[in-house]
Amino acid sequence: DAKTTQPTSMDCAEGRAANLPCNHSTISGNEYVYWYRQIHSQGPQYIIHGLKNNETNEMASLIITEDRKSSTLILPHATLRDTAVYYCIVRVADTGNQFYFGTGTSLTVIP
Amino acid sequence: NAGVTQTPKFQVLKTGQSMTLQCAQDMNHEYMSWYRQDPGMGLRLIHYSVGAGITDQGEVPNGYNVSRSTTEDFPLRLLSAAPSQTSVYFCASSRAGLYEQYFGPGTRLTVT
Repeated sequence: DAKTTQPTSMDCAEGRAANLPCNHSTISGNEYVYWYRQIHSQGPQYIIHGLKNNETNEMASLIITEDRKSSTLILPHATLRDTAVYYCIVRVADTGNQFYFGTGTSLTVIP
Repeated sequence: NAGVTQTPKFQVLKTGQSMTLQCAQDMNHEYMSWYRQDPGMGLRLIHYSVGAGITDQGEVPNGYNVSRSTTEDFPLRLLSAAPSQTSVYFCASSRAGLYEQYFGPGTRLTVT
């Protein structure tokens, strides 16, 4: 699976949009981009995934560049409960449950 | 649905002891996985299974065994515990295909 690069940490003011970047410059055509987050010591929680089109759900939006070498996760109105570590993962389509997590971005939402 | 359950929540072992971490899911998911998470690190895949009777190794399989005799259960066995296996262990499951994984609450293991 392609390696991903994320900033180690970011801050965001409460109520503002949080934009979390991810670089995956070696991504292949059949690899999907997934985002998970981990709040404190809990198990990771799925947020969103996509292949090449932008995606939106009730939690977030995922913007993937046209060359697919990078993506941005957007939390439109960050709350204190969004403070967590966010993981960007690139996964080959349907290779079983093989997710390779990096160290992620620690997002702190500031009141 | 209980989702993904893991037992025990906490465990302390002495070096050389063996034990089994239990994982069960009630969502009829085909895929199940085990990860470990060391302090300040991301999750690393230990073993995974795409269905009953089928298992395969992840990136850090040494020192661990798994089996998948039923769809619901995916136990992780530590054969001879070592201090390097002190970690938090997470189990996850998902439907076959490009679906999200559901994670259990974790087992915090300390090996002295």
